Amino acid sequence: GQNIDQPTEMTATEGAIVQINCTYQTSGFNGLFWYQQHAGEAPTFLSYNVLDGLEEKGRFSSFLSRSKGYSYLLLKELQMKDSASYLCAARDNYGQNFVFGPGTRLSVLP
Amino acid sequence: SAVISQKPSRDICQRGTSLTIQCQVDSQVTMMFWYRQQPGQSLTLIATANQGSEATYESGFVIDKFPISRPNLTFSTLTVSNMSPEDSSIYLCSVETRGTEAFFGQGTRLTVV
Repeated sequence: GQNIDQPTEMTATEGAIVQINCTYQTSGFNGLFWYQQHAGEAPTFLSYNVLDGLEEKGRFSSFLSRSKGYSYLLLKELQMKDSASYLCAARDNYGQNFVFGPGTRLSVLP
Repeated sequence: SAVISQKPSRDICQRGTSLTIQCQVDSQVTMMFWYRQQPGQSLTLIATANQGSEATYESGFVIDKFPISRPNLTFSTLTVSNMSPEDSSIYLCSVETRGTEAFFGQGTRLTVV
């Protein structure tokens, strides 16, 4: 079966660092994606990992361990505008479908 | 990247009626997908819209309820048929380019009364 787990909600303080974890089980694996979704808006692409290790993109980094079925999204120097839902999505072996996790609603407090 | 125009952005419909949602992409894409996102929840794939053949539906979704058209490589429609309040949701079309990331339309917020 296919299953993706991530925490439902997290709270952090402006300027801090937050790590959002994601575990996945899929029929084969062809990449792990993170999307940001502000309330009432469509998801937007943040990062993509297909090999083990850390991918850094400005204030955002994403890590993947394929052997553990585990990823995390790291957000540094949090800003109020980072308050959003963060969706972890895995791509299956056929490379066609994304399976989305439940999303983590992050609230950044002043 | 791909720019996706989805309409309508929102609608309020009477139960028993049908609504057709359109998705237009600014470039030719092989894969187009339709998702549903219920309030406070993540995205659930409804179907993959295939150009020149019938759509491929996920478990729990059927063609009679969600007929899909894909007349060419830049356009697709999703119809929500015989609507009930349980169909109230956000519907999103999505495309993939370069075999990696997915791009989403702005979404259609549907309320069935």
